[in-house]
Amino acid sequence: DAGVIQSPRHEVTEMGQEVTLRCKPISGHDYLFWYRQTMMRGLELLIYFNNNVPIDDSGMPEDRFSAKMPNASFSTLKIQPSEPRDSAVYFCASTAGWGYTFGSGTRLTVV
Amino acid sequence: GQQLNQSPQSMFIQEGEDVSMNCTSSSIFNTWLWYKQEPGEGPVLLIALYKAGELTSNGRLTAQFGITRKDSFLNISASIPSDVGIYFCAGLSSGGGADGLTFGKGTHLIIQP
Repeated sequence: DAGVIQSPRHEVTEMGQEVTLRCKPISGHDYLFWYRQTMMRGLELLIYFNNNVPIDDSGMPEDRFSAKMPNASFSTLKIQPSEPRDSAVYFCASTAGWGYTFGSGTRLTVV
Repeated sequence: GQQLNQSPQSMFIQEGEDVSMNCTSSSIFNTWLWYKQEPGEGPVLLIALYKAGELTSNGRLTAQFGITRKDSFLNISASIPSDVGIYFCAGLSSGGGADGLTFGKGTHLIIQP
């Protein structure tokens, strides 16, 4: 089992640019979560999907953030336009029940 | 929203010492999870607790689900250098996987040889 796969591992972009983060959940897991981790705020839930349908996006900071899950094996988190305060590590996690498995994260730096 | 208060924020200990950390909340949780995160990686599940009062061990790790369902602790016995990392508690309030986890701010564990 390859686990939850995220790409890219690192992303450096200029303010105002569009950023797309990608996630491949574990096969058979029907829940997918996007988290953001910062020193100040810790791990924050942004949005989660069940069977490819967004269930709760109340953690998405603003309209600049959007997430999609076109099929059971792929999800994207997009930031447009990006701002320096979006700099953080973004994690994707999936589960079929209790055991949440996290990817290795994408470290985003917006300059 | 729900918040978890995790303490201590950091610990500096000698190799071989026992470690204890805990999480408290004003809200009730139905599941408590403990994760460890190493640099450059995502959190990895260590122990899951599903019933109030439950005491579960995983090697040198022991965790308990408080009987009030508002707290949990994690103990590490005879610490070794590879125990270094950030330990997070996480709570789940729903009855199944139909919700996101609420995380504590983490306990940074640093071990001096």
